Amino acid sequence: AQSVTQPDIHITVSEGASLELRCNYSYGATPYLFWYVQSPGQGLQLLLKYFSGDTLVQGIKGFEAEFKRSQSSFNLRKPSVHWSDAAEYFCAVGAAGNNRKLIWGLGTSLAVNP
Amino acid sequence: GAGVSQSPSNKVTEKGKDVELRCDPISGHTALYWYRQSLGQGLEFLIYFQGNSAPDKSGLPSDRFSAERTGGSVSTLTIQRTQQEDSAVYLCASTGGGSTDTQYFGPGTRLTVL
Repeated sequence: AQSVTQPDIHITVSEGASLELRCNYSYGATPYLFWYVQSPGQGLQLLLKYFSGDTLVQGIKGFEAEFKRSQSSFNLRKPSVHWSDAAEYFCAVGAAGNNRKLIWGLGTSLAVNP
Repeated sequence: GAGVSQSPSNKVTEKGKDVELRCDPISGHTALYWYRQSLGQGLEFLIYFQGNSAPDKSGLPSDRFSAERTGGSVSTLTIQRTQQEDSAVYLCASTGGGSTDTQYFGPGTRLTVL
């Protein structure tokens, strides 16, 4: 079955600390992978995406993610978190060549302590 | 327009009433999606429109749900005889329609069924 797992429901980090949000997927086809962020009262915004090529992808707001096929993972990282990064983060997977029906994780809520 | 817009932003209705939710996609985008985000859940795909092709309705949870897209632009999601379990945030997204295109999301409509 196709699925996305975000093992951490809630994470709290201190401002300036590094961050890693985990995402594991189960998908039969070659996956396209996405990370979106949802801030309170805001729509979902794409942080980054992986389709092919370099497995380390750079996104907006200083985020990056690494695709590891052997581990079926696409973890999101940021070296130094800012208070404004507090939000809900969603990982999603779709089929190569088909951008429909993204399969979504349940999200990780990030809190940032001053 | 500058982005995907949805209306209303909030809708409170009584059980058994019908509701219509509207989505205005980004101008020129040919593909449009509806998702549902229930409390504590990830996004659930509902329906997908691509150009003049028949819509993919495979995610609609029951025959009380329907959607149309007029003129290849604005879309309306209709829920008939609403139930309390329909309470959720309904999100619309649009893309240019290419297989690698990013889905751009609207701010959502929060539906509360009393």
